[in-house]
Amino acid sequence: AQSVTQLGSHVSVSEGALVLLRCNYSSSVPPYLFWYVQYPNQGLQLLLKYTSAATLVKGINGFEAEFKKSETSFHLTKPSAHMSDAAEYFCAVTLYNQGGKLIFGQGTELSVKP
Amino acid sequence: DTGVSQNPRHKITKRGQNVTFRCDPISEHNRLYWYRQTLGQGPEFLTYFQNEAQLEKSRLLSDRFSAERPKGSFSTLEIQRTEQGDSAMYLCASSSGALAGEKLFFGSGTQLSVL
Repeated sequence: AQSVTQLGSHVSVSEGALVLLRCNYSSSVPPYLFWYVQYPNQGLQLLLKYTSAATLVKGINGFEAEFKKSETSFHLTKPSAHMSDAAEYFCAVTLYNQGGKLIFGQGTELSVKP
Repeated sequence: DTGVSQNPRHKITKRGQNVTFRCDPISEHNRLYWYRQTLGQGPEFLTYFQNEAQLEKSRLLSDRFSAERPKGSFSTLEIQRTEQGDSAMYLCASSSGALAGEKLFFGSGTQLSVL
């Protein structure tokens, strides 16, 4: 069965610093990978997704992620953090035959210090 | 596109009572998913529908839980004889098609507290 592991339940960065949120997946077949963001009292929103096209995926709000098969990783990055990026971030995986059902990681809470 | 709507936003109930939540997906979205999220954890898949057909149920979904999607539009999730362990955020999501890479649109959830 497929799964994702997010390293670090809490990450704190200074405004303007690099954001790096880590996600590793486990899957016996090529996966589809996603990053979702959850702001307080709001539903999850899709940041970006990898569906076997380009390995470097650009998303909304300046985020991007790179699919690395050799490392089974899909880390999320943003060159310069903004205060509005403070939120909970979830990595998720699905397979082509899973009917769109997502398996989520445990989440990483991002704090941005002024 | 009014988004996925969930009602109520909050529900407080006593242990042993039955509760029902409602989810209204984005119009014409064929797929509807239910997830459960506890504090500090990612959403856990419960069940999903393709139109009115319930295609998969997680083994997390005990026989006290039942979900329906009559006529393939809104969906309800009922929990019978609630237990304190049922306290969680219940999330609904919908998507437009059957492709694995389809974007899921999530509602804001129903927060259940069982006293």
